[in-house]
Amino acid sequence: DSGVTQTPKHLITATGQRVTLRCSPRSGDLSVYWYQQSLDQGLQFLIQYYNGEERAKGNILERFSAQQFPDLHSELNLSSLELGDSALYFCASSLSEGGYNEQFFGPGTRLTVL
Amino acid sequence: TQLLEQSPQFLSIQEGENLTVYCNSSSVFSSLQWYRQEPGEGPVLLVTVVTGGEVKKLKRLTFQFGDARKDSSLHITAAQPGDTGLYLCAGANNDMRFGAGTRLTVKP
Repeated sequence: DSGVTQTPKHLITATGQRVTLRCSPRSGDLSVYWYQQSLDQGLQFLIQYYNGEERAKGNILERFSAQQFPDLHSELNLSSLELGDSALYFCASSLSEGGYNEQFFGPGTRLTVL
Repeated sequence: TQLLEQSPQFLSIQEGENLTVYCNSSSVFSSLQWYRQEPGEGPVLLVTVVTGGEVKKLKRLTFQFGDARKDSSLHITAAQPGDTGLYLCAGANNDMRFGAGTRLTVKP
């Protein structure tokens, strides 16, 4: 158990819909990272937040957005969903801001778009 | 196009064999990490290498960071079925970028 929690574990929805994925980092960790993992693309970095502020952006689509709240939990919002958005979405947390710090991954949310 | 190229993509071996997997890039990284991911779970950090030429050992696993800090290798001695999983390398500068991974299967 990494100490990072993600909900829900599974999510099935239809094209065009909007979903919210939730992540609670390890106690004491200030950075939260979101990743998308699909079979053909591997683990793709989406976005990082540190202590409530956006720190780095990766291959995140405009239809996707995220935020980190004062209690440090984070949400990833996916809208206008397409079939190709079906993937595993992981959240990771680390103590400090730098990308080189050890990241602890949650169990992931499996999103299926029908 | 992956910033980090991992090879081989798939590897299936018998218990007791040795193996090496590779992680290559044209970019220089301040550090490189190796993770192992099992089905249905998130990646788990195995090691972080920081210095060019650095070698780290974790029981039967030996990790090496290239002198130029652009590549790395993971060598497993006497592989066991419990080593089965997806091995991911990740290069870090201001953020972290992952390779696509090597999927290792060790048959008993």
